[in-house]
Amino acid sequence: EVQLVESGGGLVQPGGSLRLSCAASGFTLSSYWMSWVRQAPGKGLEWVANIKQDGSEKYYVDSVKGRFTISRDNAKNSLYLQMNSLRAEDTAVYFCTRGAQLSGHAFDIWGQGTMVTVSS
Amino acid sequence: SYVLTQPPSVSVAPGKTARFTCAGRNIGGKSVHWYQQKPGQAPVLVIYYDIDRPSGIPERFSGSNSGNTATLTISRVEAGDEADYYCQVWDSFSDHWVFGGGTKLTVL
Repeated sequence: EVQLVESGGGLVQPGGSLRLSCAASGFTLSSYWMSWVRQAPGKGLEWVANIKQDGSEKYYVDSVKGRFTISRDNAKNSLYLQMNSLRAEDTAVYFCTRGAQLSGHAFDIWGQGTMVTVSS
Repeated sequence: SYVLTQPPSVSVAPGKTARFTCAGRNIGGKSVHWYQQKPGQAPVLVIYYDIDRPSGIPERFSGSNSGNTATLTISRVEAGDEADYYCQVWDSFSDHWVFGGGTKLTVL
């Protein structure tokens, strides 16, 4: 079964750090662009970052540039999001998603999400 | 930065047709993807490349895109279609994915 499973969320104080992980199964991670998408409580979807198949290209939404780092380990079939200098406005459910090349890189597979709460 | 505008809500009776608009500057020149998200669940891709349906998505779901507006249409709406619907495009100018604000479908 094709699946993405996120982990690493939790409660963190403002200014703190957190590392999210996403374990992929049922497909070869190295064949796909991957993204992180977040959703603040009661709000819409916001794309956070994406990374090319070999990690050579990475893009970020402006609000997280310089604070978040997306990375991947294809050998471990895993995607990561290192989040530093966290702010209250980063509180959200974070989803790991797969971009399907044959579908214009639309996000055809989503994880169940992991909750990140930034609060003192 | 590129902006996608969606109406906050749409209401329709069962068996009728629901239309969701997604407005953006010259959006007709971009590929639009649509997602359905039910409460407490991850989003699901329902339309990609403006008009194509992933396997498992009913034929009742269709899309179009022209000019400054893309549209998702659900025919013969069912109670199970109640959800939030989001449009998405890739903005090649900023190298960003952009989502619309989402439209909540209420089935009366």
